[in-house]
Amino acid sequence: EPEVTQTPSHQVTQMGQEVILRCVPISNHLYFYWYRQILGQKVEFLVSFYNNEISEKSEIFDDQFSVERPDGSNFTLKIRSTKLEDSAMYFCATRGLTNTYEQYFGPGTRLTVT
Amino acid sequence: ILNVEQSPQSLHVQEGDSTNFTCSFPSSNFYALHWYRWETAKSPEALFVMTLNGDEKKKGRISATLNTKEGYSYLYIKGSQPEDSATYLCAFESGNTGKLIFGQGTTLQVKP
Repeated sequence: EPEVTQTPSHQVTQMGQEVILRCVPISNHLYFYWYRQILGQKVEFLVSFYNNEISEKSEIFDDQFSVERPDGSNFTLKIRSTKLEDSAMYFCATRGLTNTYEQYFGPGTRLTVT
Repeated sequence: ILNVEQSPQSLHVQEGDSTNFTCSFPSSNFYALHWYRWETAKSPEALFVMTLNGDEKKKGRISATLNTKEGYSYLYIKGSQPEDSATYLCAFESGNTGKLIFGQGTTLQVKP
């Protein structure tokens, strides 16, 4: 069964450093999302992306964050200058056109900012 | 602010017990209600997507109901097995945006 993959599974970085989290969506899926879960808190929406542009973003998704599909396959989330409070599990999710409701999640990248 | 609440937060049952969890969500601007099953270190797995008031869905021993007018959904597991141990997440989708608003999850532990 097709699945969403994410790399790396765990990233440790120092405060102020840039990180790029990568997601390979299910082939032919056109809607992409990033969510995150800070330890002990709810999974929260960050951004949705369709047709090479952001559809919606949350208050969390400030100028430090950006998303792109650099090569038409990978979907990336970049955090320009990480803060301690960015430590969380980051999930990518994708959705196709035929089943327009279901979102398929990747296993997540655990980001630790020290 | 749209809020989704799940109860209980955690549940410990014996193998063979049946159990149910609740998800409460806003009753206005409803588009869909999603249920996910999430095991540690794995991808959250989609169980059900429910869109119509009165919807009932079933997958094996797991079933779910939906009441959009009063803003709640129940997830039932009949005859729990140790492999059902996981965190069960519900997520509310308002309008056709794809943006999911999650509850805090219910963590189920099934003892053999």
